[in-house]
Amino acid sequence: DAGVTQSPTHLIKTRGQQVTLRCSPKSGHDTVSWYQQALGQGPQFIFQYYEEEERQRGNFPDRFSGHQFPNYSSELNVNALLLGDSALYLCASGDPTGTGTAGELFFGEGSRLTVL
Amino acid sequence: QQQVKQSPQSLIVQKGGISIINCAYENTAFDYFPWYQQFPGKGPALLIAIRPDVSEKKEGRFTISFNKSAKQFSLHIMDSQPGDSATYFCAASSDNYGQNFVFGPGTRLSVLP
Repeated sequence: DAGVTQSPTHLIKTRGQQVTLRCSPKSGHDTVSWYQQALGQGPQFIFQYYEEEERQRGNFPDRFSGHQFPNYSSELNVNALLLGDSALYLCASGDPTGTGTAGELFFGEGSRLTVL
Repeated sequence: QQQVKQSPQSLIVQKGGISIINCAYENTAFDYFPWYQQFPGKGPALLIAIRPDVSEKKEGRFTISFNKSAKQFSLHIMDSQPGDSATYFCAASSDNYGQNFVFGPGTRLSVLP
């Protein structure tokens, strides 16, 4: 049973560029969330997708956008990259309960983004 | 009000000792409190979680103690082992928040052999 998988594992971009990160949730999960983890800090919630719609959003600017596909996989897009966007981007999926009922989140190993 | 505070920032314990990490929250709407363990280069993995209807939960060497009135909860690792050396994050959420978890800043635990 594959867990949450993310790609790419590492990437380097320059300021002003755009990046797309990809995630496949754990088998049987239909809800995907994205988190940003800066070095030495805890993960911060970016947004959550369920039924191909953004259901909840954290305190991140509109430069951060996402998409969920019919097979429940998801993409995170970041436009106009800033140096401060350098971080580990984590994808997480949970039990198929939609937007309700907090429960175990399963995290991928993340995509390490470096912005130069 | 959405913040979760965590202490200490780092912790060094001898093998066989007890590791204790503390967290505090303000938002009384939180009703789910998990602890995550993260090794370098890996994503966080759930260790143990508790809901406010109980004051303590134990799973193997890991115990969560929960004080609802003080809005505090803690992780105790008994008989700490070098393999427990990792960063530990407390978190808080609510059934109404879905997968919007608020994480603490983390505690880097080192268990000396």
